[in-house]
Amino acid sequence: EVQLVESGGGLAQPGGSLRLSCAASGFTFSNYEMNWVRQAPGKGLEWVSYISISGSIIYYADSVKGRFTISRDNAKNSLYLLMNSLRAEDTAVYYCVRRLDNWGQGTLVTVSS
Amino acid sequence: DIVMTQTPLSLSVTPGQPASISCKSSQSLLHSDGRTFLNWYLQKPGQPPQLLIYEVSNRFSGVPDRFSGSGSGTDFTLKISRVEAEDVGVYYCMQNIHVPPTFGQGTRLEIK
Repeated sequence: EVQLVESGGGLAQPGGSLRLSCAASGFTFSNYEMNWVRQAPGKGLEWVSYISISGSIIYYADSVKGRFTISRDNAKNSLYLLMNSLRAEDTAVYYCVRRLDNWGQGTLVTVSS
Repeated sequence: DIVMTQTPLSLSVTPGQPASISCKSSQSLLHSDGRTFLNWYLQKPGQPPQLLIYEVSNRFSGVPDRFSGSGSGTDFTLKISRVEAEDVGVYYCMQNIHVPPTFGQGTRLEIK
């Protein structure tokens, strides 16, 4: 069974940083592209970032470009999202998504003073 | 960015009756390899989204056959042949032919 477990969410101050992690199991992590998708409270879905199997190809949404960094460690079956210069509008549940098929349960990030 | 427009934004359906959701994209989702990159997701209350349909009409693993997808180019439809109580939630279409992948606004389905 595919499992994606996000962690690292919480309360951060505007301008602060958080690092999200996603632990993958139940499939060969190194064979799959990965994404982060977020959902602000009561709102729709917004794609955040993509990373290729090897990590050599990376894309970001314009709204996070220059502030967020996606990475992966295939040896540890893990995906990461380093979020710097956080803004109130970054408040959302962040989902780790395998390719665009299987989704984790999400981790809530709240940016507030 | 490609804009995805869903209609209706909400619908109320009697169990056992059909339901249909439309999704229109601002650009063609047809790839040069012949595939069309349009997915449908259902987000049940309090849960993450789950993939229902990929590449327009392919049901994902475990998805009941009462769900079907159709369409081409820029116009797509998700149909539920007989709505059940467990189908309640918000349905999203999404394109992933162009970066950034973009989602429709969502269609909320409730049971009468």
